[in-house]
Amino acid sequence: GIQVEQSPPDLILQEGANSTLRCNFSDSVNNLQWFHQNPWGQLINLFYIPSGTKQNGRLSATTVATERYSLLYISSSQTTDSGVYFCAASTQGGSEKLVFGKGTKLTVNP
Amino acid sequence: GAVVSQHPSRVICKSGTSVKIECRSLDFQATTMFWYRQFPKQSLMLMATSNEGSKATYEQGVEKDKFLINHASLTLSTLTVTSAHPEDSSFYICSARDRDRGRVEQFFGPGTRLTVL
Repeated sequence: GIQVEQSPPDLILQEGANSTLRCNFSDSVNNLQWFHQNPWGQLINLFYIPSGTKQNGRLSATTVATERYSLLYISSSQTTDSGVYFCAASTQGGSEKLVFGKGTKLTVNP
Repeated sequence: GAVVSQHPSRVICKSGTSVKIECRSLDFQATTMFWYRQFPKQSLMLMATSNEGSKATYEQGVEKDKFLINHASLTLSTLTVTSAHPEDSSFYICSARDRDRGRVEQFFGPGTRLTVL
């Protein structure tokens, strides 16, 4: 099945800094989603982005499907951005099963 | 839109009892729902895919007789952990795909934290 790898595993920033999180996947995808898991465990949908570029406020994401990677950009980070960011993907012709990466734990210090 | 709820949010039970967790899509119809499990400081692992009106499909290594899944309507799927043991303690999360959105994006519930004593 598809493999999903995220980097870096941990990231510590000062408030106001920018960051880039990366997600590599091993197969063609029909779904790629980015999530933020808050301290209570809730997965917040950030982007549905199997290809292309999207922006939502301080966050943006780009997926280059032909090169099998996706990037999540966080600009002007805030302490509330802290948490774990997951990338998950499913393959074309598959059964819509999402495979999750191991996540990037982001800590934003004041 | 695309809100998924879970109930209960937290449950503590004694070893040997059964626990039922409900997953509801509140503002959309979901022909397919998914159940995941997450252990502390780990990622989410898919347990099973639940299709309305048919039997669930379980991932390799997940015991279908232990984790009973019922998807009786387009807005409700239930996961029953039968004869729970301490090793079943985990965070259980469901997700659903909006049938009418025309894409495979999944929306996740807030999760249920199960503690088996």
